Parts: sequence; C-alpha cells; structure tokens
Amino acid sequence: ETAVFQTPNYHVTQVGNEVSFNCKQTLGHDTMYWYKQDSKKLLKIMFSYNNKQLIVNETVPRRFSPQSSDKAHLNLRIKSVEPEDSAVYLCASSHWGNYAEQFFGPGTRLTVL
Amino acid sequence: GDSVTQTEGQVALSEEDFLTIHCNYSASGYPALFWYVQYPGEGPQFLFRASRDKEKGSSRGFEATYDKGTTSFHLRKASVQESDSAVYYCALGDDTGNYKYVFGAGTRLKVIA
Repeated sequence: ETAVFQTPNYHVTQVGNEVSFNCKQTLGHDTMYWYKQDSKKLLKIMFSYNNKQLIVNETVPRRFSPQSSDKAHLNLRIKSVEPEDSAVYLCASSHWGNYAEQFFGPGTRLTVL
Repeated sequence: GDSVTQTEGQVALSEEDFLTIHCNYSASGYPALFWYVQYPGEGPQFLFRASRDKEKGSSRGFEATYDKGTTSFHLRKASVQESDSAVYYCALGDDTGNYKYVFGAGTRLKVIA
C-alpha cells in the first residue's frame, strides 16, 4: 500500500515533557512536510524537507525540531511541550515543486495537560 | 507575503443545492492553485489543481477556474450530496523560487439530507 503513515494516532502528555511523532511515506516522493492544525481547522506549515534541505517556518518555536533519516521518513520532536502545542500534527509528502499536490497522513492528535 | 482568503467559514446546504465557496489569493508570482478536502478523522486530500489563467480544474463533480484578473479560484458544484460534508481548503503554491505553499482558513460544508 502506498500512502503516508503516521504514529501514534493520539498522544496525551504533561507540560514540559518531550514527545516524538513518526511519519513515513511509501509514495516515492522527495519532499516531506509537517503541518499544525488547530481546533479551528487552520493549517499552518511548520517545516518542509527536501534532499536534506530544511526550510523552516520562522514562526515555529525552537522547541520543535524535524528529524529525517532518509527521504521516506520525517519525524517531529517537541522538546518541552506547552499547552498551546495541543493540536493535530499532519505529515505530508509530494514531489519537489510548488505545483505538486501534497499527500497527507491521518494526523497525530496531541493533548497537553 | 502570499495569502489565500476563503470568504465563507461555514456553509450549510440541502442535498441537490448548488455550492459556491469563494477563494481569492494574493501572490507575487504566478502561483498554482489547489483545492483540498478533509473528511472527519482524516488528513486533507487533493481535489484538483490549476496552474495557468483560465484553466479549469475538476474532480468528483467539483470545479474551479483560475482567474488571474480577479485573483480568484472559486469552488463550485452543481448538486451537493450529504457525503460532500467536509472541510474544503483553497491553497496556492508560489513559483517565485522561495518555496511557499499557503492554505486558506478552510470552509466547513454541511449538507443536510
């Protein structure tokens, strides 16, 4: 099956903990992304990663960091979570280029208590 | 910077009604324009794209025409079904070389049987 896979589906944690989310794509794409989707369904791009080139949205706090072992995997680490980090984190992939459609995973819902 | 504006935050229709969701964009170059749909519990799915003036994109009965003059890419469907209930996102991919992919705020469509 070719798709974008994310684990875990849900994660509940306490303020100050570290969390890590995994994303894998089997579509043969060379570019991957992390998005944050808030409770109002606003989609905000956090990172894009292409052939080891990382493009960071400058509004993303430094406690967030992407980690990639190869072009099929892009994980997201949050070093010390805060309540405002509660959201759905969506991973996506595409061929390189701004005209390429993106394929999304089902998301990881993070709740910070 | 680039931006996408979706006028309607929520739309409620009856089955077989005509749908219009308005999308206007602002970009420095000649962007590609996209529509995505997100069903509950899933990530957004690509609907279709248009990349030049007057080009029409379409899929699953939905369509939109790229209008550079009015900077618009309005989504239309002649007869909606209950299964069309979802969140619809307009997006642009910027071609100016500084990689950018911008989503609108989304429009929640509810179709009542």
